[in-house]
Amino acid sequence: NAGVTQTPKFQVLKTGQSMTLQCAQDMNHEYMSWYRQDPGMGLRLIHYSVGAGITDQGEVPNGYNVSRSTTEDFPLRLLSAAPSQTSVYFCASRENTEAFFGQGTRLTVV
Amino acid sequence: GQQVMQIPQYQHVQEGEDFTTYCNSSTTLSNIQWYKQRPGGHPVFLIQLVKSGEVKKQKRLTFQFGEAKKNSSLHITATQTTDVGTYFCAGLRYNTDKLIFGTGTRLQVFP
Repeated sequence: NAGVTQTPKFQVLKTGQSMTLQCAQDMNHEYMSWYRQDPGMGLRLIHYSVGAGITDQGEVPNGYNVSRSTTEDFPLRLLSAAPSQTSVYFCASRENTEAFFGQGTRLTVV
Repeated sequence: GQQVMQIPQYQHVQEGEDFTTYCNSSTTLSNIQWYKQRPGGHPVFLIQLVKSGEVKKQKRLTFQFGEAKKNSSLHITATQTTDVGTYFCAGLRYNTDKLIFGTGTRLQVFP
């Protein structure tokens, strides 16, 4: 039972580069979210989706894009990486209650 | 700014001492959830409270949801080294699907 799978686990980018963080879940959950975790800031919501074809902004959406073409997948795109986007990124899926998290992606932008 | 704050940010305790973390939201929440994140790991769900004034217990952990549904607390009795980690509260705002997390409290337990 895979749950929520994130790739890659680690990534180093140069300023200005773009990349996509992948997230897939096999629990048929409607809700999926992306969070970033920074020291002292907790988990901040970037974007979320309530179902295929529906996405909305969270607390810190600038610099990130998302799409939800299927129930299973919810990729996060960094358009032009900046050092301020250095963080640990978590994808989560849930139905009505418990959120299940992926293992996280540690991203460094130099 | 951050909508859900937790205090303290850090807490170091001796094994056997009690520990409490407090969660405060600037807006009313439809429910409150608590998660634990071990060092290097991902957040794992502990519990959900829905009703105003609700109290739930899980072994040595006691969770409370405030009467106004804007605050919550987690109390651990007689901490153990296995309690080490960061504890997050998270809440759903009314009429939204946004699950907003608190700033977290990092607990260190010394044997």
